[in-house]
Amino acid sequence: DGGITQSPKYLFRKEGQNVTLSCEQNLNHDAMYWYRQDPGQGLRLIYYSQIVNDFQKGDIAEGYSVSREKKESFPLTVTSAQKNPTAFYLCASSTIPQGRKGYTFGSGTRLTVV
Amino acid sequence: SQQGEEDPQALSIQEGENATMNCSYKTSINNLQWYRQNSGRGLVHLILIRSNEREKHSGRLRVTLDTSKKSSSLLITASRAADTASYFCATDPSGNTPLVFGKGTRLSVIA
Repeated sequence: DGGITQSPKYLFRKEGQNVTLSCEQNLNHDAMYWYRQDPGQGLRLIYYSQIVNDFQKGDIAEGYSVSREKKESFPLTVTSAQKNPTAFYLCASSTIPQGRKGYTFGSGTRLTVV
Repeated sequence: SQQGEEDPQALSIQEGENATMNCSYKTSINNLQWYRQNSGRGLVHLILIRSNEREKHSGRLRVTLDTSKKSSSLLITASRAADTASYFCATDPSGNTPLVFGKGTRLSVIA
């Protein structure tokens, strides 16, 4: 079955440490997205990519970096410059243009600073 | 920027009742989508309505869209305890740009 896989499910980061969240899809989708979700808040866009080797900043890109070396993979690095990284991170993918099925989401990674 | 705003923020109903959630947005859209999120999980796409459509149905879901008022509603009929989740509206400004999500409505269906 096609889908989108995020790993790990839980991640703990020490102060000053960079961590990388994995996102892999086998849906042959061109576009991939990273969103951040805080308690009681909606989803805020961090980065997105519509083609390999290209990506765009979203509303809250500061302190984050991404790469898109393969169509299937869109890892997110939370750098030490991100001052408040504790949140739930969601990766999604879609066709371009979007079809009636909208976005397919992964099951998320919960990042906690310790 | 968050374009969609859901109302109410939280809703608690008895099993078998209908649940209505509303979404307002600010700018023109290509389509509007509704998603469901169970606690601690990813979002699941429920339904998409295009800007030239006024109403869509899918099983127990009914979505309306009023572009003149920049608003949409999601109706879940004959709710079940398993419908307990957060529901988000998301707007697509152009069909080729990232979705903008609202803050969601938390629905609790009590058996």
